[in-house]
Parts: sequence; C-alpha cells; structure tokens
Amino acid sequence: GQQVMQIPQYQHVQEGEDFTTYCNSSTTLSNIQWYKQRPGGHPVFLIQLVKSGEVKKQKRLTFQFGEAKKNSSLHITATQTTDVGTYFCAAYTGTASKLTFGTGTRLQVTL
Amino acid sequence: GAGVSQSPRYKVAKRGQDVALRCDPISGHVSLFWYQQALGQGPEFLTYFQNEAQLDKSGLPSDRFFAERPEGSVSTLKIQRTQQEDSAVYLCASSPGTLSYNEQFFGPGTRLTVL
Repeated sequence: GQQVMQIPQYQHVQEGEDFTTYCNSSTTLSNIQWYKQRPGGHPVFLIQLVKSGEVKKQKRLTFQFGEAKKNSSLHITATQTTDVGTYFCAAYTGTASKLTFGTGTRLQVTL
Repeated sequence: GAGVSQSPRYKVAKRGQDVALRCDPISGHVSLFWYQQALGQGPEFLTYFQNEAQLDKSGLPSDRFFAERPEGSVSTLKIQRTQQEDSAVYLCASSPGTLSYNEQFFGPGTRLTVL
C-alpha cells in the first residue's frame, strides 16, 4: 500500500544547529500535514501544505511542499531543547479519511 | 471539553481478555479516528467515523477489533481475546469537519500492555 518515507530516522544535534527532515512519497499527494510528538506525548498538528511548491514558516520552522507534490521537508533553524521529539509527515492516501503517517524523524537536541 | 480525552490511560490485560478503550472527542467534532501506535513507530490508521457512521474500518487488523460511536460523540474501541501483538498505544483523534483538509486533534492515548 501507500507508504510515506522519512529520512533521517534519527538525528542528534547540538543546540543552535539546524535540522532538516525529508518526507517522500511514490505517488502524488493532495496535501501533506506535519505533526510533532514529544517523548511520551501524542501527535500535535503543526501545519498543512496543499499547493505545489508551497512554503510556509512558523517562527524557526520552515515547511516546503515539492513541485511534484511527492515530497516535503521541515527545516528548523537554530534548534532549541524544546524542539526535541519525533516529527511526522502525514498524508491522506487511498480514501479521504485514511491519514498515513510517515516513518518519523526523531530529533535529539543537547546543550 | 478542552481537548480529546481517553480512558483509561493505561491498561494491562492478560492474554485472552477483552478490553474496551474510550474516547471523548472535542465537542461538536464530526470526524473521529482511531490509530494504533507501536513503540518507535508512527500511528497506524484503524478506523474512521463521521458522526455515528463508521465509514472506513480498513485498518482494523482482525475481526477481534471492533469500534462504535452510537450517538456520534463518545467512541469505544473494543479488542476481544487480546494477544501480545495488540500491545501498543491506541490513539483517538477528532476533527471538526469531514474533509481531508482538516487537522486532527489527538488525545493522550491508552497504553495497552498484554501479558
């Protein structure tokens, strides 16, 4: 079935360094959502991208949707310890109700 | 309520027991979703309700899994004859509309451990 892959699986950075996670699909996506899950917590919605080539920013976070709508990225500038968690991309695949989550990228930030 | 709530937060069951997990979505939210999240993995879709109608149950792993939302608000996920592979966090999410463009609001989850 439809799979949404993310790389890297894990990244460890020092506070202040930048971080990027990439999300790839084999098929064209209608939209893509990003969620953050803190350790021991539940997924929290960050943003949704709909348009080809769309770029959205939230403070230090920049989200991009590829021109072909098959890939997306999340870039964090100058990471902070509060950025620790797992970042998932997610897309509706197959039916309009089935949200398929990517494999996730776990971010660890140390001082 | 302020957000999606789930109960119990933790459940330990002996293999073969039946369990029932409850989800209280955000008031007025039309859509309700159940997910299963294994350790170190992303949430996996189980089923979807639009009001009281279960429109998609394609993710339910076996006929031991059953979900209902009889009055279009509270939902219950029931697992019969639990197996060790059922151990996971079960997440409930709700969404205000019916379109796939809406964000989903997740509850804290129920961590099920089957011994």
